[in-house]
Amino acid sequence: DVKVTQSSRYLVKRTGEKVFLECVQDMDHENMFWYRQDPGLGLRLIYFSYDVKMKEKGDIPEGYSVSREKKERFSLILESASTNQTSMYLCASREDSNQPQHFGDGTRLSIL
Amino acid sequence: ILNVEQSPQSLHVQEGDSTNFTCSFPSSNFYALHWYRWETAKSPEALFVMTLNGDEKKKGRISATLNTKEGYSYLYIKGSQPEDSATYLCARRAYYPNTGNQFYFGTGTSLTVIP
Repeated sequence: DVKVTQSSRYLVKRTGEKVFLECVQDMDHENMFWYRQDPGLGLRLIYFSYDVKMKEKGDIPEGYSVSREKKERFSLILESASTNQTSMYLCASREDSNQPQHFGDGTRLSIL
Repeated sequence: ILNVEQSPQSLHVQEGDSTNFTCSFPSSNFYALHWYRWETAKSPEALFVMTLNGDEKKKGRISATLNTKEGYSYLYIKGSQPEDSATYLCARRAYYPNTGNQFYFGTGTSLTVIP
């Protein structure tokens, strides 16, 4: 079974801090994704990556950046955290475009 | 329809009842439709990937149908059990020549099965 591991289930940070959310997958998938989930809204894509050192903006990239230095790891970075980035963050990976995505358990991030 | 829409937003059924809910999506540029089940405190789990008009998929008591021409998919649960309680998400994969693959999720249908 595919295992997608997010480093933290719950995280509390302060406004202005630089925040790192880590995601690791163990199935050598090339495609990795970062989403946020907010009440009343569907999962919204922040960034995705199709290969090492490659990144593409999703629907809501503002205020975020990503890093993919190794195939198994995809990091989401909040450059200067703000309260409107309080959300549930989900990481996913996928073998290829014909396969479903495999999700991590999510990180519930609160920015105070 | 501009976005992926799911209805109803929430649903409460008695154990043993059968139920169904809807995912509606733009039919243009369609490539695939995914269904996921998301239980509280767990990660979303893939149920089905459907690509062809008229597709029907089944997994135990859960089945799904797809109509790509009119832009909808139905998810059916036969004889609901408390362990079926979850949020059911659908996602549409579209392909655009300029931007490539795009993936859009609906807001989900929250199902509660009452024992």
